[in-house]
Amino acid sequence: AQSVTQLGSHVSVSEGALVLLRCNYSSSVPPYLFWYVQYPNQGLQLLLKYTSAATLVKGINGFEAEFKKSETSFHLTKPSAHMSDAAEYFCAVSAYFGNEKLTFGTGTRLTIIP
Amino acid sequence: EAQVTQNPRYLITVTGKKLTVTCSQNMNHEYMSWYRQDPGLGLRQIYYSMNVEVTDKGDVPEGYKVSRKEKRNFPLILESPSPNQTSLYFCASSPPGASYNEQFFGPGTRLTVL
Repeated sequence: AQSVTQLGSHVSVSEGALVLLRCNYSSSVPPYLFWYVQYPNQGLQLLLKYTSAATLVKGINGFEAEFKKSETSFHLTKPSAHMSDAAEYFCAVSAYFGNEKLTFGTGTRLTIIP
Repeated sequence: EAQVTQNPRYLITVTGKKLTVTCSQNMNHEYMSWYRQDPGLGLRQIYYSMNVEVTDKGDVPEGYKVSRKEKRNFPLILESPSPNQTSLYFCASSPPGASYNEQFFGPGTRLTVL
């Protein structure tokens, strides 16, 4: 069984400030981890993914995430927020072995303050 | 253009009136899946298909049916819709190895059941 917990359903940051969105996972087998972004009235698109190569993963739009096995975390960061980053962000986990099911967290809505 | 399409995008219906939401992808992907998105619950998998004629239940399959007769299409059928199926629905597809590959999402179908 696998699950994802996203701490904070809403996060607000000022433009230019650090963005930190938290994700903790639970998995009985080595996980694959993903961050997806959903802009208003759109489907989800992949930001980045961890598939057991480098623990620090760089994605699109300046985002990155670090896989920390000891903390079972995969937090998403961006050094400097931009107005265009306002969206909902979903962390997701899938199992290294199994039915290729993707389990999503409940999402974090990011608001950027001008 | 590589894409996942869904129709209709918006649908208002009444309790008990059978409906079908279509999903089609032009990327020759083996794996397809349906999710529903509800506030505070994130995305939950309804059904998925590993290939033609191979489907299986996800986390919330009750009240839904699917079929996979062709590789490109994966319709979602609600034979007797109820108000608790009011939700935002997403179809997604992926190449083999959906556990570690990106899933490509359609634009969503907003369904209201009165």
